[in-house]
Amino acid sequence: EIVMTQSPATLSVSPGERATFSCRASQSVSSNLAWYQQKLGQAPRLLIYGASARATVTPARFSGSGSGTEFTLTISSLQFEDFAVYFCQQYDNRPYSFGQGTKLEIK
Amino acid sequence: EVQLVESGGDLVQPGGTLRLSCAASGFAFSKYTMHWVRQAPGQGLESVSAIGSNGVTTYYAKSVEGRFTISRDNIKNMVYLQMGSLRTEDMALYYCARGRIVEPGIVDYWGRGTLVTVS
Repeated sequence: EIVMTQSPATLSVSPGERATFSCRASQSVSSNLAWYQQKLGQAPRLLIYGASARATVTPARFSGSGSGTEFTLTISSLQFEDFAVYFCQQYDNRPYSFGQGTKLEIK
Repeated sequence: EVQLVESGGDLVQPGGTLRLSCAASGFAFSKYTMHWVRQAPGQGLESVSAIGSNGVTTYYAKSVEGRFTISRDNIKNMVYLQMGSLRTEDMALYYCARGRIVEPGIVDYWGRGTLVTVS
């Protein structure tokens, strides 16, 4: 089973600043990596797939990069509605595993 | 508008059974892989089970294999998760979710979840 490790567990950033999330896979997942956003009390929402492709409703301030085992999600200029938990997921090999999440909080 | 509405979550004793249902609407249901993903309180996400568009191909996490059964009805636009021999570690919010057509491992729509409590 591929283990997905996200860091940091919590990220404190001020509105307007940049936020960078990391996700590492225990073995290569090529570009088969997605990012999801989950706000408190809500279901997750797909943000990024294929490591860097934005989903239909994902704002342009969200960008993804990486391949193989190292991936990054960047939010260029934080808006208040961006404060949430972010999960990465690999869909290269069954079981399709998720990271434990990074909580983005207001600094 | 894509909608996924789960139901069936309840309080059940260890060893008990439960059947979760998911009603889908707003898309061509029979063309999509469907997933059940769970989230224990304060925890991350775990892919529990998935079923291909034709209902033949299924997947189960090792943690539930042999105890849970996924099925679908492409006439009623429903997907089900029959849960048996429930354990305390199965307690979670269970989400019904849709996989993308081209890459079904990508989950692009989620329901609001139904809560399973095992105690």
